[in-house]
Amino acid sequence: DQQVKQNSPSLSVQEGRISILNCDYTNSMFDYFLWYKKYPAEGPTFLISISSIKDKNEDGRFTVFLNKSAKHLSLHIVPSQPGDSAVYFCAASSRTSGTYKYIFGTGTRLKVLA
Amino acid sequence: NAGVTQTPKFQVLKTGQSMTLQCAQDMNHEYMSWYRQDPGMGLRLIHYSVGAGITDQGEVPNGYNVSRSTTEDFPLRLLSAAPSQTSVYFCASSYDYRNIQYFGAGTRLSVL
Repeated sequence: DQQVKQNSPSLSVQEGRISILNCDYTNSMFDYFLWYKKYPAEGPTFLISISSIKDKNEDGRFTVFLNKSAKHLSLHIVPSQPGDSAVYFCAASSRTSGTYKYIFGTGTRLKVLA
Repeated sequence: NAGVTQTPKFQVLKTGQSMTLQCAQDMNHEYMSWYRQDPGMGLRLIHYSVGAGITDQGEVPNGYNVSRSTTEDFPLRLLSAAPSQTSVYFCASSYDYRNIQYFGAGTRLSVL
């Protein structure tokens, strides 16, 4: 059973426009969420995170929104740049339960068109 | 500062062979983990360790063995390779399990 789902395998966006990547989760014990970016032939790199006590976290062009009632989070990239083209993974963990595990989604491939 | 180093970068095995994927970090991180990435499956946790001498299973542990004798190293052993273990393997580390994980560049493994 996939606890963290990214239902869009791919997304194409024009340069300068907004990219919105979505992630849904099923486990209500998750209380910490992260987004990672991955370029080909490289390991994932951390992008931004959010704790369940917040509903928004911003870092430059990247904003993550969390809707706990819908068990949904989204990553907004504004404005999108060609260098943002990569695979984006969301991940979730339960800090309070002490299970020490991060569960990743299946990833969304973003292509930013120049 | 090397970060998380994985060796080898590529490996081809025959079914039934054994091998060890190496992972080393120089950040004095307590938490280390192994993931495999398969098309359409995302990153799945194989094993993890919260400190030297302590390991536990993740989502897909079967066919893999780990040990953590030092803080720096967390090798992943394939005891008898199977074609289903063809994948890209990533090692990651973090200060502790509540913190951001830093990933290595990956090992691409093919089992024929």
